[in-house]
Amino acid sequence: RKEVEQDPGPFNVPEGATVAFNCTYSNSASQSFFWYRQDCRKEPKLLMSVYSSGNEDGRFTAQLNRASQYISLLIRDSKLSDSATYLCVVNKVNRDDKIIFGKGTRLHILP
Amino acid sequence: NAGVTQTPKFRILKIGQSMTLQCTQDMNHNYMYWYRQDPGMGLKLIYYSVGAGITDKGEVPNGYNVSRSTTEDFPLRLELAAPSQTSVYFCASSSGTSQETQYFGPGTRLLVL
Repeated sequence: RKEVEQDPGPFNVPEGATVAFNCTYSNSASQSFFWYRQDCRKEPKLLMSVYSSGNEDGRFTAQLNRASQYISLLIRDSKLSDSATYLCVVNKVNRDDKIIFGKGTRLHILP
Repeated sequence: NAGVTQTPKFRILKIGQSMTLQCTQDMNHNYMYWYRQDPGMGLKLIYYSVGAGITDKGEVPNGYNVSRSTTEDFPLRLELAAPSQTSVYFCASSSGTSQETQYFGPGTRLLVL
């Protein structure tokens, strides 16, 4: 199993719709989880952290499922500006304390 | 605060040439990182540093070198450029460990011909 795995997409979603995607991780000891957003030809930027109790920020909701080892991102009332690649990030929790980036899920919001 | 800045934005190198990618942060972060991102691929860690004078290898360090003489600067050196090093290079910094947000620079696009 890959350390961090995401569906690459693309997800083509009409404006106003709700879209969700998941990310699975292999290390059950991982403790830190994030969603980053990366626009085309730009740097990644933190979208939100994912807490055990879930996390909501406006139209965005992130959830953690430790039993099944995945995190999810839900976007409600999608906007054209939500078109981007969403990177799942998990900390490695080995002797070296680093984070692992998933390859990302591409989202296209259609007008 | 400018955050994390990188220079140059874009560079074309010939095979065998060398260059240094510059990275500076003004957030007084101890941790700094260099990643490369190939088209359609995730970020791969090249080198990282947990403080001035301390550097360590990441996942793909071959062909690169780093130094960290100050908290602010973390240059990445490419020796004997190869076509396989064509990529986008991102520098990032964070205040602490893997539980902290990483802040990225705008990236350097490198083409090796």
